[in-house]
This record gives sequence, structure tokens and C-alpha cells, in this order.
Amino acid sequence: NAGVMQNPRHLVRRRGQEARLRCSPMKGHSHVYWYRQLPEEGLKFMVYLQKENIIDESGMPKERFSAEFPKEGPSILRIQQVVRGDSAAYFCASSPLPPGGTDTQYFGPGTRLTVL
Amino acid sequence: GENVEQHPSTLSVQEGDSAVIKCTYSDSASNYFPWYKQELGKGPQLIIDIRSNVGEKKDQRIAVTLNKTAKHFSLHITETQPEDSAVYFCAAMDTGRRALTFGSGTRLQVQP
Repeated sequence: NAGVMQNPRHLVRRRGQEARLRCSPMKGHSHVYWYRQLPEEGLKFMVYLQKENIIDESGMPKERFSAEFPKEGPSILRIQQVVRGDSAAYFCASSPLPPGGTDTQYFGPGTRLTVL
Repeated sequence: GENVEQHPSTLSVQEGDSAVIKCTYSDSASNYFPWYKQELGKGPQLIIDIRSNVGEKKDQRIAVTLNKTAKHFSLHITETQPEDSAVYFCAAMDTGRRALTFGSGTRLQVQP
């Protein structure tokens, strides 16, 4: 049973370019979460999605950042016009449908974004 | 919003000793408390979790305790081994919201 998959694992962008990060949840999971981790810090919540719906985006910057989880395909975190401060590790997590065990979030290996 | 404080930031122990990491949280609505282990270059891996209706939970060498009144929870690792060396994060969640709030992490080094 494959875990949460993220790609690419490493992404280098120049300032002003766009970054697209992909996340495929565990099989049977329909809840996806994105977190950002700056060096030597804990993870910070960005957004919570279910299929075709954004449930909570309270942690996501209002500008340049967007997320989607379409009916088919992976969840996408998109960062437009990247700046150096966007350099971080971005982690995706997934959890199954209620009821039972819905609280547990399983994390992927992350995408490490470097902005030059 | 929720705020989670974690101590210590670094912890060095001898192999076979115990390690204790402590966290406090601020939001009384939080009712789920997982602990994650993160190795270099990898994603966080869940090692144990506890819900607010339980005071203690144990899984082999790992245990977690929760004091709801004090808004305090702790991770205990006994008989530490070099492979326990990693960064450990506590987290808290209000399951109505589902967003995890993480502590700042504890770098555990187990000396052989």
C-alpha cells in the first residue's frame, strides 16, 4: 500500500517563476493537507482540501498561493511569481474519510523548493 | 489560534537512557495530540498519538501522557537506541478544524 506521494522531490525556480507541487494521497484517503516547513522550524498549516473543495485555507498567503484537489488526479499547490522567502520544504498529508481514524494525518516525503 | 510550545530544543542522551520531551498547548478545544519523528530529508512519521479522553498511552518503548487541566503533554522514550536519533515534533489539533499546530521540534541525539 503506497504512502503519500509527492513530486517533484526537489524543485529549483528563479524569482518570478511559477512552482507547481503535486501530492497523491494514500489509497482510500480523500482529505489532503499542505504544510510548509522553514529550515530549523516546525511545520505550519497552509490549506485543507477534500475532492473539489477547499475546506480551510486560513494558513495560506492571500496572494500568489493557490491549491486544488480535482475530482481526478493529484492535489496541486501552486505558487506564482516565487520569491526567495518561498524557499522551504512543502509537505502534503492525507487522512481517510470519517468515521474512525480520521484524525491521523500521514505525511509524504515533501518537496524542497529553492528559489534562486 | 492554537499555540504549541515544545522543550527542550535539543536533547542528548546515552544509549539505554530515557528521553522526555514536553509540550504545552493553549487552545482548550484541542483534543488530539500526535507525535511525529522526522529524519533528515524525510517527511514526518507518526510514532504515537493520544486523544483527550485518555491520560496515557504506551506502545513498546514509547509512551505519551496528557494533562488536560494543565494543557500539557509529554513523550517518553525508554531504552533509547542510536536509531532513535531524529527531530521529534509534537502537535495539537481541534478535530473540528483538522489543522495540526506543530511545536518547534526537539533534536534528539542518542550517543552509542
